[in-house]
Formats: sequence, C-alpha cells, structure tokens
Amino acid sequence: DIQMTQSPSSLSASVGDRVTITCQASQDIKNFLNWYQQKPGKAPKLLILDASNLQTGVPSRFTGSGSGTDFTFTISSLQPEDIATYYCQQYGNLPLTFGGGTKVEIK
Amino acid sequence: QVQLVQSGAEVKMPGASVKVSCKASGYTFTSYGISWVRQAPGQGLEWMGWISTYTGNTNYAQKFQGRVTMTTDTSTSMAYMELRSLRSDDTAVYYCAKGRVLTAATWLDPWGQGTLVTVSS
Repeated sequence: DIQMTQSPSSLSASVGDRVTITCQASQDIKNFLNWYQQKPGKAPKLLILDASNLQTGVPSRFTGSGSGTDFTFTISSLQPEDIATYYCQQYGNLPLTFGGGTKVEIK
Repeated sequence: QVQLVQSGAEVKMPGASVKVSCKASGYTFTSYGISWVRQAPGQGLEWMGWISTYTGNTNYAQKFQGRVTMTTDTSTSMAYMELRSLRSDDTAVYYCAKGRVLTAATWLDPWGQGTLVTVSS
C-alpha cells in the first residue's frame, strides 16, 4: 500500500495568514492526489483534484501543487470558515489511502 | 443536486453484522461507482472498498476481505455496505462517496452524511 505522510498534524495561524500543508507519498503517484476539507461533525468535502485542479465552487484561496511524491496544499489567506481538518488522498494505486490529516485552528 | 443520503445510526453487539444504506439522487446512478470510507472516533479516513454500479464489480481493501460485502440496487439507486463479525474497533462513522464507474481509483465527491456504527456489549 502507498503510505501518505502529511505534515504538520496540526497548526495554528491568524486570520489572513498563508497556510501550507505538505503530503509525501511513499512512491511515485504522478499527479493522482486529491485534497479534502472536513469540518467537525461533517463529511469530507473535495477541494482539489489531480494535485492542482480546484473543484467547482471552491474559493480560489485554496491551491495545490506537486507531482511524483511531494505535494503542497496552500490557503493563501486563512479565513475563520477554513477551520477544519485537511486530508490528502492518493489514487495512484489501490487501495486508496489518505494522509493522517492536518487540523487547522485560528490563533 | 447530487446527493447521497445514508441510513441512521446503529448499535450492534460484538459478532453481529451491520448493513448501511446509501441513497443516491441528482445523477444517473449507473454512471458512477460508490466507495465506502470509515472514520474511527478522533481518527483519520480509511478506505474500505468500491463497487461499480454498472458492472457490479467490487474491489475491497485487503483488511476487510471476507468480512465486507458491497451491493447495489439500481432500481432504487441504493448502495449497501454490510460488515460482519463486528468488533469494538469497528466503531466508526461509515461514509459512502461517489466515484468512477469502472475503477475505484479516483477522487470521491460528494460524500454521504455518514452513519455512526457503535459496537458494544
């Protein structure tokens, strides 16, 4: 199975700050990498597919980049409504696997 | 709008089985597959497997092989996930999510609201 190592596991930032989360795959997954947002008590929501493509309706402050084994997710200007846990997910190989999550809080 | 609505919370004894349902609406059911993902309390996301609503083919994570069965009823746009021989560490929220029809390898969007399954004596 492909292991997805996500960091940090949690972070605290101020409104307006730039926030960056990284995800590393244990083997080359090309660009088969997605990012999800999960708010407390809610189901995950797809934000970015194929490493860098913004899902329809998702604010442009969310961006993704990377290929191969190293990927980055960025919130350009943190908003109060962005408080959530973020997960990466690979689909380069089955089984689908997820990173451990990054909990984002407001400082 | 595209929506997946799941059945309600369940409480089961160890050793029992549970069957969670997922009702799809807002799209052609047989054009997309359904994956099942679970999340233990305070933990991350774990993919359990996938079913093609078009062919009926399944792909289960090795961890659940022999203990899980995923099915669909195309006449009612329903997907089902049955997990047998429940243990306390199966306590989790179980999600269905829409994916691709011919492969499990894809993004998942949208997700159902989740079904809490509690396994306790």
